[in-house]
Amino acid sequence: DGGITQSPKYLFRKEGQNVTLSCEQNLNHDAMYWYRQDPGQGLRLIYYSQIVNDFQKGDIAEGYSVSREKKESFPLTVTSAQKNPTAFYLCASSTGSREQFFGPGTRLTVL
Amino acid sequence: SQQGEEDPQALSIQEGENATMNCSYKTSINNLQWYRQNSGRGLVHLILIRSNEREKHSGRLRVTLDTSKKSSSLLITASRAADTASYFCATDKRDAGGYQKVTFGIGTKLQVIP
Repeated sequence: DGGITQSPKYLFRKEGQNVTLSCEQNLNHDAMYWYRQDPGQGLRLIYYSQIVNDFQKGDIAEGYSVSREKKESFPLTVTSAQKNPTAFYLCASSTGSREQFFGPGTRLTVL
Repeated sequence: SQQGEEDPQALSIQEGENATMNCSYKTSINNLQWYRQNSGRGLVHLILIRSNEREKHSGRLRVTLDTSKKSSSLLITASRAADTASYFCATDKRDAGGYQKVTFGIGTKLQVIP
């Protein structure tokens, strides 16, 4: 089945820890995106990538980092510099100027 | 910054009624998309309308786009309890580097009462 997966579904982080969220797609899409969603809010763009080994900062990139070593994978690291990381993180992929396909999300909680 | 803003932020209607949600945006776009999100889940694409289109239909959904007013509306006709969800508009434009950038509004939370 083609699709986009995220893992883990739930993630707990201690203060000062870096954590990495996984996003994988087998849709052969060129573009991948990371969004953050806070309770009752819309989605805010963290990072996006159009091609392998290239990515751009979105509207709220501070405290986050990404890599795009393979077309299928776009992992997001939430660093200790992100002061308020508790949120729902959504990954998406698309091709051309077409609709995005979303993963099921990762809920990150800071303990 | 959020490109789109939906209005209203919350809407409660009876089953069978129509639901209308609006979206305004700030800069020129390639296309505008509407998505649906059930609580705690990923988003699901509903419909895409290109900047040179004015109206589009898909089943019980009707989307309009007015680029002169930088606004769009989503109409759901004959609503059902299963339509209860949050609805988001998203705008697709090229950034300064020519990359496709998709940004979302804050959403409309729709409740359809059986």
